[in-house]
Amino acid sequence: GAVVSQHPSRVICKSGTSVKIECRSLDFQATTMFWYRQFPKQSLMLMATSNEGSKATYEQGVEKDKFLINHASLTLSTLTVTSAHPEDSSFYICSARDMSSGGYNEQFFGPGTRLTVL
Amino acid sequence: GQNIDQPTEMTATEGAIVQINCTYQTSGFNGLFWYQQHAGEAPTFLSYNVLDGLEEKGRFSSFLSRSKGYSYLLLKELQMKDSASYLCAVMDSNYQLIWGAGTKLIIKP
Repeated sequence: GAVVSQHPSRVICKSGTSVKIECRSLDFQATTMFWYRQFPKQSLMLMATSNEGSKATYEQGVEKDKFLINHASLTLSTLTVTSAHPEDSSFYICSARDMSSGGYNEQFFGPGTRLTVL
Repeated sequence: GQNIDQPTEMTATEGAIVQINCTYQTSGFNGLFWYQQHAGEAPTFLSYNVLDGLEEKGRFSSFLSRSKGYSYLLLKELQMKDSASYLCAVMDSNYQLIWGAGTKLIIKP
């Protein structure tokens, strides 16, 4: 199956700093990428949908100025958590969808990034 | 609104069979997915159903009834490594995945 990588896998930062997370599709072109957040013992929560070359679509309650998403190429999307605070500590997961595959719209998930804000 | 319901937690014995149910109410339907997620890891794809009926894949099978808004994931010959959370997700008319809260499956020896 298709492979999605995410970097870094873990990051610890001080409150007030910014953190960038990269999501890459390694063997296919991802026209659409999704960013999720998952708190302990809870399900995935979609934060935003990112389409290559256009602005991301944010879910209700997600601050677009705090969570900056850039999908500049068909294989790379980045999420920047600006001015991070302890409540932003979470597991961030990206997924990618290859609409050109003719498949059934399966989303391929990256391994996730564990963010801890001190 | 859109809603996916599945049990919070289930317990089963190694070697046995377990069925995890999922009911849904969504705006449109473009398929139902089951994912497995081990603690601290990202979800991994298990199955996809878009037509009514049973899809079998090794020890795992998934069933769908669109008229009832119902699916189940059946796991046979349970192994300890099957202890994980199982997430039901429905793709709505906008091709967006709507996620259930997940069912934590505990396997006992």
